[in-house]
Amino acid sequence: DTAVSQTPKYLVTQMGNDKSIKCEQNLGHDTMYWYKQDSKKFLKIMFSYNNKELIINETVPNRFSPKSPDKAHLNLHINSLELGDSAVYFCASSHAQSGGNTIYFGEGSWLTVV
Amino acid sequence: GQQVMQIPQYQHVQEGEDFTTYCNSSTTLSNIQWYKQRPGGHPVFLIQLVKSGEVKKQKRLTFQFGEAKKNSSLHITATQTTDVGTYFCASGTYKYIFGTGTRLKVLA
Repeated sequence: DTAVSQTPKYLVTQMGNDKSIKCEQNLGHDTMYWYKQDSKKFLKIMFSYNNKELIINETVPNRFSPKSPDKAHLNLHINSLELGDSAVYFCASSHAQSGGNTIYFGEGSWLTVV
Repeated sequence: GQQVMQIPQYQHVQEGEDFTTYCNSSTTLSNIQWYKQRPGGHPVFLIQLVKSGEVKKQKRLTFQFGEAKKNSSLHITATQTTDVGTYFCASGTYKYIFGTGTRLKVLA
């Protein structure tokens, strides 16, 4: 049983397209995240949701819009894709919003914009 | 904003050699976590340290939290090829900031 699952795993798309990445966790966690990992392996937080509410929104372009229909799901929609959006996007979850809890990552979605 | 730097960025070692990565913050950290990411994989939690000066061991891995809670280290004794990957420290209360990572290559 995969704890945090995200789809698709690989995505190759053209500039200007709109795409979505879906994420689901079956751990019963109340906090979910999106992280972006670039080619240099830097992991940067993009968004965090707690019980379906947005609590962290880092300086991410408006083209990125997260949506949490319930606390087990956090999807990421990207409009007008640009070359610089190419990266690995990791969905993650943890038990609580406050610090000191293990973050469980999905396997990643490898996005390539051509 | 809070930044967490890790050094070195890359490290190549011969199998059997020791390896250490250091994590440094400009601000006091409430906790420090360590994660390992295998090539092509996703970050996986290793351990958490909370107390000033805390030291924890997991087999060949030794984790330390500085007295001032501004730095931490991960030391691997007698590296093996299975240790290959990127090691991240992370810290946070309402959001987790990840360090810049140290990529470890182990040469057989």
